[in-house]
Amino acid sequence: RKEVEQDPGPFNVPEGATVAFNCTYSNSASQSFFWYRQDCRKEPKLLMSVYSSGNEDGRFTAQLNRASQYISLLIRDSKLSDSATYLCVVTPGFQKLVFGTGTRLLVSP
Amino acid sequence: EAGVTQFPSHSVIEKGQTVTLRCDPISGHDNLYWYRRVMGKEIKFLLHFVKESKQDESGMPNNRFLAERTGGTYSTLKVQPAELEDSGVYFCASSQLGQISGNTIYFGEGSWLTVV
Repeated sequence: RKEVEQDPGPFNVPEGATVAFNCTYSNSASQSFFWYRQDCRKEPKLLMSVYSSGNEDGRFTAQLNRASQYISLLIRDSKLSDSATYLCVVTPGFQKLVFGTGTRLLVSP
Repeated sequence: EAGVTQFPSHSVIEKGQTVTLRCDPISGHDNLYWYRRVMGKEIKFLLHFVKESKQDESGMPNNRFLAERTGGTYSTLKVQPAELEDSGVYFCASSQLGQISGNTIYFGEGSWLTVV
């Protein structure tokens, strides 16, 4: 079983749509949680950290449920520029990041 | 300020050959990490240096891979001999000392390796 599981997609949505991605992680000792964005043939870039209380950054909302070991990302009012792969990432308490395979989002006009 | 730089950006080699990837971390970053993504798989941790010392090399796939960081500055990752399954993108990342978090670790653009 993968440490971090994500639906690979792709999610095809029209501009303006709301889309949600989910992720589960297996290591209950994981300490930090993030969503990264990766554009085609580019490096992963931090989108936002995820906190149990939930956090919002503009059109993006992230939520963590430690009891269920579940992380979510909600994107409202999708833009063409949101098309990318979204990576769920956790840190198991050591000096490394554990990545999910990513969920591909395609936003169309 | 220069970011994490990696060289070469792309490399095509034949099976059995040797390739050396180089990473220059951000100046002053003692932590240096190597990750890789092979086709269809997730990005996976390879190893972690603190200055010139290997802190964690639990992700290194086998003894065909050798990472060094002499002097605690740049790092090299050598694959010898390369196999077809080594094809993928190799990312280097760096951070300052201390607990890492998503906003303190910086990735390079990656070295894309194709073994034919």
